[in-house]
Amino acid sequence: DTAVSQTPKYLVTQMGNDKSIKCEQNLGHDTMYWYKQDSKKFLKIMFSYNNKELIINETVPNRFSPKSPDKAHLNLHINSLELGDSAVYFCASSPASKSSEQYFGPGTRLTVT
Amino acid sequence: GNSVTQMEGPVTLSEEAFLTINCTYTATGYPSLFWYVQYPGEGLQLLLKATKADDKGSNKGFEATYRKETTSFHLEKGSVQVSDSAVYFCALTPTQGGSEKLVFGKGTKLTVNP
Repeated sequence: DTAVSQTPKYLVTQMGNDKSIKCEQNLGHDTMYWYKQDSKKFLKIMFSYNNKELIINETVPNRFSPKSPDKAHLNLHINSLELGDSAVYFCASSPASKSSEQYFGPGTRLTVT
Repeated sequence: GNSVTQMEGPVTLSEEAFLTINCTYTATGYPSLFWYVQYPGEGLQLLLKATKADDKGSNKGFEATYRKETTSFHLEKGSVQVSDSAVYFCALTPTQGGSEKLVFGKGTKLTVNP
């Protein structure tokens, strides 16, 4: 069973479009995250949700909007896509009691043309 | 602020060679320290961790010791295998379990040749 899953795995789209990436975890964790990994492999946190509530919101353009319908899901919607949004986006989750141990999904490679 | 600095890659070794990947950190308070590994085409996996000074984390033959005096958490393995080829990330959380925010280094790509 996949612990943290993301869809789609690959996403190619044109500038200006709106797209969503979905994330689901079946670990029973309370906290979920979105990270962005750029072309140089640098990873940076974007958002964190705990029990459907936003707790971390880094300096991210407001074109990016996370949505958590329940604690097992954290989706990322991106409006008006730009070339600089091209990256690999990773979802992760962690149990509330051991919040520093995070379990990552396989990533979604977004290419904006 | 909180930051992690790790050695620039890529690192290329022959099988059975000794591996060291340096990692130093800057943090307020008492951070927890981690090494994550990313195999080609996959997400990150936790490799090992240490939550207080002088703790040693170990897993799959890899070790790292939390050195507060030198603010370091260097990753070592005595004899690498081809299957260890991956990108290795050093990371911290700013306080001991109190913050859920992981701060990553830039990653070090390791290639092990047969």
